[in-house]
Amino acid sequence: AQSVSQHNHHVILSEAASLELGCNYSYGGTVNLFWYVQYPGQHLQLLLKYFSGDPLVKGIKGFEAEFIKSKFSFNLRKPSVQWSDTAEYFCAVNERFSGGYNKLIFGAGTRLAVHP
Amino acid sequence: DAGVTQSPTHLIKTRGQQVTLRCSPKSGHDTVSWYQQALGQGPQFIFQYYEEEERQRGNFPDRFSGHQFPNYSSELNVNALLLGDSALYLCASSLFGTEEYNEQFFGPGTRLTVL
Repeated sequence: AQSVSQHNHHVILSEAASLELGCNYSYGGTVNLFWYVQYPGQHLQLLLKYFSGDPLVKGIKGFEAEFIKSKFSFNLRKPSVQWSDTAEYFCAVNERFSGGYNKLIFGAGTRLAVHP
Repeated sequence: DAGVTQSPTHLIKTRGQQVTLRCSPKSGHDTVSWYQQALGQGPQFIFQYYEEEERQRGNFPDRFSGHQFPNYSSELNVNALLLGDSALYLCASSLFGTEEYNEQFFGPGTRLTVL
């Protein structure tokens, strides 16, 4: 079965610092990869996704992620964080089943706090 | 374009009781998945409904059951509640058979507290 590991459970940064959140998955076949964000009091929102093609994907709010197949990684980056980026970030991978069905497997999440 | 909606927002129950949570998918979507998000953890897949049938199930006991209606809305039922069932229950929808199916849209969740 698929699994997703997020290396950092808590990250504290100052505004304008650069961000990189690690994510590794276990499955070696074709994958769809996602980063979701959960702002305080809000629902899970999609930041970005990788299905195929260019391994460097751009998302909303200046976030990007790089898919490195050889490392089973999909790390999230942002060059300069803002206080409004304070949230919990979840990496997820699609696990597929026969019949064309799938489910999302989530990492444990990384709680990011950005200080002004 | 209405997103995924869930009701109620919050719920408090006692051990042994039963609970029903409700979800309406995003307009145009036909598949509903349910996830449990315990405090400090990522969401865990409970099951998925398509064409009114349970299609996939995660590692959850039979106390967790569901239903999908002809209008694609869904219910999650949990019987014989345990303290450990306290969590945020998330509903996600997608459109089966499309690339969009691989991306799930989440509702705001129902916060269940079991005392």
